[in-house]
Amino acid sequence: GAVVSQHPSRVICKSGTSVKIECRSLDFQATTMFWYRQFPKQSLMLMATSNEGSKATYEQGVEKDKFLINHASLTLSTLTVTSAHPEDSSFYICSASKGQGALFHEQFFGPGTRLTVL
Amino acid sequence: GEDVEQSLFLSVREGDSSVINCTYTDSSSTYLYWYKQEPGAGLQLLTYIFSNMDMKQDQRLTVLLNKKDKHLSLRIADTQTGDSAIYFCAGYPTDNTNAGKSTFGDGTTLTVKP
Repeated sequence: GAVVSQHPSRVICKSGTSVKIECRSLDFQATTMFWYRQFPKQSLMLMATSNEGSKATYEQGVEKDKFLINHASLTLSTLTVTSAHPEDSSFYICSASKGQGALFHEQFFGPGTRLTVL
Repeated sequence: GEDVEQSLFLSVREGDSSVINCTYTDSSSTYLYWYKQEPGAGLQLLTYIFSNMDMKQDQRLTVLLNKKDKHLSLRIADTQTGDSAIYFCAGYPTDNTNAGKSTFGDGTTLTVKP
């Protein structure tokens, strides 16, 4: 169990458009979901933490109006990159945690979404 | 906050053992994890160790924890070409208010040569 999916896996869009990425926990309820950004050959950079039904907590330096996060249910969180620009091109990874049990904090990662902005 | 450091690259021959090292600053981290990331994919949990343990073995994987030196290592026995990937160590805080918010190292790229 503990499978997390992301959709789409790859997206190419024009500069100025908005792109929505979905993150779903398929077989468990995720009290908390995390959104990361990863540049080539670099580590994961945490962008924001979202809890179902409440506003996301953004990390320092991440523009909340640029990267809109909605955690509408215990199994779905979405990241919308608004007015995307080429510098937003990156690999976006989400993760989800159950928030209960002995390993309540353990994160289960999605397969990632490759965003390319032309 | 927690700082986690790793060596960036490691190259070994198939069949040899690989040792990937990690150092961390926050000694209160209760859980320390190792993840594997293959190209273009998300992170796969490999193993984890609690801070009250010194060693954990899981098939070809052995995790050693030196709490005094704040040093964590992952040993892969009989390394195979399929083990080529980026390996991340991550520390989780004990504070419940930050439950799940972890700090990742920069990742070690393991290359296995046939």
